[in-house]
Formats: sequence, C-alpha cells, structure tokens
Amino acid sequence: DVKVTQSSRYLVKRTGEKVFLECVQDMDHENMFWYRQDPGLGLRLIYFSYDVKMKEKGDIPEGYSVSREKKERFSLILESASTNQTSMYLCASSLVGAHEVTDTQYFGPGTRLTVL
Amino acid sequence: AQKVTQAQTEISVVEKEDVTLDCVYETRDTTYYLFWYKQPPSGELVFLIRRNSFDEQNEISGRYSWNFQKSTSSFNFTITASQVVDSAVYFCALSEFPMIKAAGNKLTFGGGTRVLVKP
Repeated sequence: DVKVTQSSRYLVKRTGEKVFLECVQDMDHENMFWYRQDPGLGLRLIYFSYDVKMKEKGDIPEGYSVSREKKERFSLILESASTNQTSMYLCASSLVGAHEVTDTQYFGPGTRLTVL
Repeated sequence: AQKVTQAQTEISVVEKEDVTLDCVYETRDTTYYLFWYKQPPSGELVFLIRRNSFDEQNEISGRYSWNFQKSTSSFNFTITASQVVDSAVYFCALSEFPMIKAAGNKLTFGGGTRVLVKP
C-alpha cells in the first residue's frame, strides 16, 4: 500500500512566522504535490515536483515555496505566514508511468494550519 | 483551461436511499483522466476510481457505480443503498494527459459534494 505521511495533523502559528510542512512517501514516486483545501473551492494546487530538486508552480504559488532534496520528501514553506494562509494542506504523490502516462495521486492525511 | 463543476454542495439522505453526485467537466484535450475521491471526516482523500477519456463504459464496484458520458462531459457517481459510513465529502477531478514530464499529472478538482447519510 502507498503511504503518504505529513509531519503534523494540526498546527498553530503566528503571523510572520516561517512555517515548514513536511511530506514523506514510501513508494518511490517521482511526482509529489502540495494542495490547499478551502470550503467550496475544492483542492487547489500550490506546487508540484516531478523529480529531486525540480519544482513547478501550480495555480496558487504566491506566498509559498517548496523544497525537494530527496525523492521521498517534499516540503512546503510559508516564508512569512499570514492569516489568509489558514487552511488544510494536503500532500500527494504519484508515479510517472510508461510514456509519461498520468497516474493516480495518493494523498496524505492533511495538516490543518491556523495562522493567528 | 480545465474546469470541474460539482453543482451540489450538500446532499442529505436517509440510510438505504440511493444518492447520485453530479460532475461536469470542461477540457480542450481529447485525452484526459477523470477521478473520484472520498474524504471522510478523518481528512484523508481516498481514491475511488480513475477513468480515461477513451473508455466510456460504466463501472460498478459494490454499491458504487459511475456513469461517464463524453457527449455531455459528465462523470456522475451513484451510491446505492447508502450507509452512514458513506458520509463524507466527495470530489471529482480531471487530469490532462501530460506530454512532457515537467507538466506532471496535475489534477483539477471540483468544489466537492458533502454527503450526509442519516440513520
């Protein structure tokens, strides 16, 4: 079974703090993703990575950065947290199949971040 | 640009009733994938099904069934004889076929439909 874990289920931070959200997958997946989930908006892609040290912006990258130093680990960084970044953050990973065929994304349990 | 619309924000049913969740999508691509995920109260998204755009066969898995109609750009999901454990938020998602690795297999999600099954 694919296992995607996230470092915290709940996190409370203050405005202006630097925040690190960690995600680890144990299935040797090439692709990893960070989403945020807000009521009525579904999940929106922040950043994704298709290989170590490679990253691509998603739909809402402003205010975030990412790091992928090892294949199994993908970190989301909020350089200076703001109240509008209060949200549920979900990490996912997937294989890249033969001929770059898209493959199913598997999700972690999520981190509910509150910025005061 | 891709778009997924789940018009129903919340559906409430009594146990053993059937419930159908609507999903309508927009894409310019001829090759794409459609997904359904379930998010129970615990928060983790659970993969339910993946369909590619070439396969319009309906699928049944236990009490779950999916109706894919390319002509109307819809991929609806039915839970038959609902149970309390089906209470969750359900997401429909669309992924285009990535022609280059850097494009990844990004998912575009609908807003989700919350299903509440009462005993």
